[in-house]
Amino acid sequence: AQSVSQHNHHVILSEAASLELGCNYSYGGTVNLFWYVQYPGQHLQLLLKYFSGDPLVKGIKGFEAEFIKSKFSFNLRKPSVQWSDTAEYFCAGNNAGNMLTFGGGTRLMVKP
Amino acid sequence: DTAVSQTPKYLVTQMGNDKSIKCEQNLGHDTMYWYKQDSKKFLKIMFSYNNKELIINETVPNRFSPKSPDKAHLNLHINSLELGDSAVYFCASSQDPGPYGYTFGSGTRLTVV
Repeated sequence: AQSVSQHNHHVILSEAASLELGCNYSYGGTVNLFWYVQYPGQHLQLLLKYFSGDPLVKGIKGFEAEFIKSKFSFNLRKPSVQWSDTAEYFCAGNNAGNMLTFGGGTRLMVKP
Repeated sequence: DTAVSQTPKYLVTQMGNDKSIKCEQNLGHDTMYWYKQDSKKFLKIMFSYNNKELIINETVPNRFSPKSPDKAHLNLHINSLELGDSAVYFCASSQDPGPYGYTFGSGTRLTVV
């Protein structure tokens, strides 16, 4: 079955540390990949997306992600996190014409 | 203007009741969705609907039914509520099932007591 998986369930970092959250997908063919963020008590907001072109995608709030086809990965990165980045992060994917499937989420806590 | 709006934001109800959650989008999107987020934050697709097709996740009990009076609305009806239905329900919309991503509503926290 087509799926998206996130292996880091909880991540705790200090402010200014670098962040990398893992995401792997199992879609064949053309794939669209997304990262969403959910701040405490809020709805999901799109951070960035990839569907073609440059495999290094830059999103909002200083986040970026790299699509590595050979590794079936789309990891999220940020060079220096802030306390305000504390949130739940979801990787998601689909093939054209299909619904988004979400990974299990990674809870990031940034200590001030 | 809110792009995808859901009402109510909070809903507390007793087991066995029937309830509805409303969703409206003003983005002109073709497709709308309902997701359920459980206490562990796991997001599960429940329904996908555009003016041509309703796609139902086969694991969703038939007590749950989507109703779409028009392209901008997709309401969720739940009959005979059970304790396990307690969750946050998110409505979303997209231009097309494809590379555009979804715009989510702010969620409805349903608590069944």
